[in-house]
Amino acid sequence: GDSVTQMEGPVTLSEEAFLTINCTYTATGYPSLFWYVQYPGEGLQLLLKAMKADDKGSNKGFEATYRKETTSFHLEKGSVQVSDSAVYFCALNYGGATNKLIFGTGTLLAVQP
Amino acid sequence: DVKVTQSSRYLVKRTGEKVFLECVQDMDHENMFWYRQDPGLGLRLIYFSYDVKMKEKGDIPEGYSVSREKKERFSLILESASTNQTSMYLCASSRRDRDTGELFFGEGSRLTVL
Repeated sequence: GDSVTQMEGPVTLSEEAFLTINCTYTATGYPSLFWYVQYPGEGLQLLLKAMKADDKGSNKGFEATYRKETTSFHLEKGSVQVSDSAVYFCALNYGGATNKLIFGTGTLLAVQP
Repeated sequence: DVKVTQSSRYLVKRTGEKVFLECVQDMDHENMFWYRQDPGLGLRLIYFSYDVKMKEKGDIPEGYSVSREKKERFSLILESASTNQTSMYLCASSRRDRDTGELFFGEGSRLTVL
């Protein structure tokens, strides 16, 4: 079945460092891909998405490119801030308009001043 | 401001008790979901509803049931709580007409079963 694998955390970085969180997927067909973020004490919220191969999603300085050839959707940010400290989830939509998502296990990012 | 509201942030129950978790959304969304979040396991889908009175099992429905009597409200029921149901429960909603992948989540209900 479809699945999402993302790098384990925690990832600890200093402020202004470069961030990469790896995500790969297994799927039949070509699902849409997402990154969600969960700030402490809050529910998840959509960070960015890519609906088809080669699409690049971007938001709040974060970017991810849907790469079909490597079945990957890695999250990157050029310069992280303390306020980016959160848990990041990679996800794919296997349900079309039902929007049923499969989530990765989550990666905790801790940014130190 | 669009919102998904879960009735309780923290609950402590005893083994064998019946537990109700309530979720209300104000966005007129057709789809509603209950996920369970556990460390190292991420989010796992318990149940999904795409319309009033309609439901589908997710990946881990055992030990749970759901009720959707009104469009805005989706309830998760633990008929007889067990310690392995100690977890964070997340409710979410989305539109049904498009593959947007955008789910709106509540803040979660942390359940401890003793």
